[in-house]
Amino acid sequence: QSALTQPAAVSGSPGQSITISCTGTSSDVDAHKYVSWYQQHPGTAPKLVIFDVNNRPSGVSNRFSGSKSGNTASLTISGLLAEDEAEYFCSSYANSTSLDVIFGGGTKLTVL
Amino acid sequence: QVQLQQSGPGLVKPSQTLSLTCTVSGGSITSSTYFWSWFRQPAGKGLEWIGRVFRSGDTSYNPSLKSRVAISIDTSKNQFSLKLSSVTAADTAVYYCAREAAVAGAPTEDSWGQGTLVTVSS
Repeated sequence: QSALTQPAAVSGSPGQSITISCTGTSSDVDAHKYVSWYQQHPGTAPKLVIFDVNNRPSGVSNRFSGSKSGNTASLTISGLLAEDEAEYFCSSYANSTSLDVIFGGGTKLTVL
Repeated sequence: QVQLQQSGPGLVKPSQTLSLTCTVSGGSITSSTYFWSWFRQPAGKGLEWIGRVFRSGDTSYNPSLKSRVAISIDTSKNQFSLKLSSVTAADTAVYYCAREAAVAGAPTEDSWGQGTLVTVSS
């Protein structure tokens, strides 16, 4: 089971938009058609911000959105706020016949 | 609103068994709409899925850990537990329990425990 590939770091200024990519293979991201995204601030548990490509749990800002094309999923955060500074992880199932969970390596978002 | 509270020792000796428990409040662990999962995260690194248990007691595990892991459920106490045997320093990490939506196209852990730092050291 290979990990998903994310950029190590991205940055943006308050009010701007940023996009974090998550690249898998035809076996995972593309096969399952769905990806989830988690936000994690230092010293705290992950928080689900996007599930099934582009659905937000209750309470998550509509500034967070997701998309997917082929074996690459993306998380876009618009109108950046200082509180968005965190680590972001994408997640998918390992392949079409398995519910084994795999993650990307994480992307550190810095709000300048 | 469901809450997950983790308990268990923060220090385990090499070759021994790591044991953690996750107590669920505000919801039933027998709900058919959720699975119950464990994850870990070494310091400064990414998340790793350990495995999950279903309300029936059936389990599924990360193939890389399968030979050393056992996850169980106690419906009478609304708890589920993790045991990881023959631990080494490489098992030092923050361990998390989580609730996973059973009907979702992607892993959907919508509630998490507070995390437990487990250090493997003599």
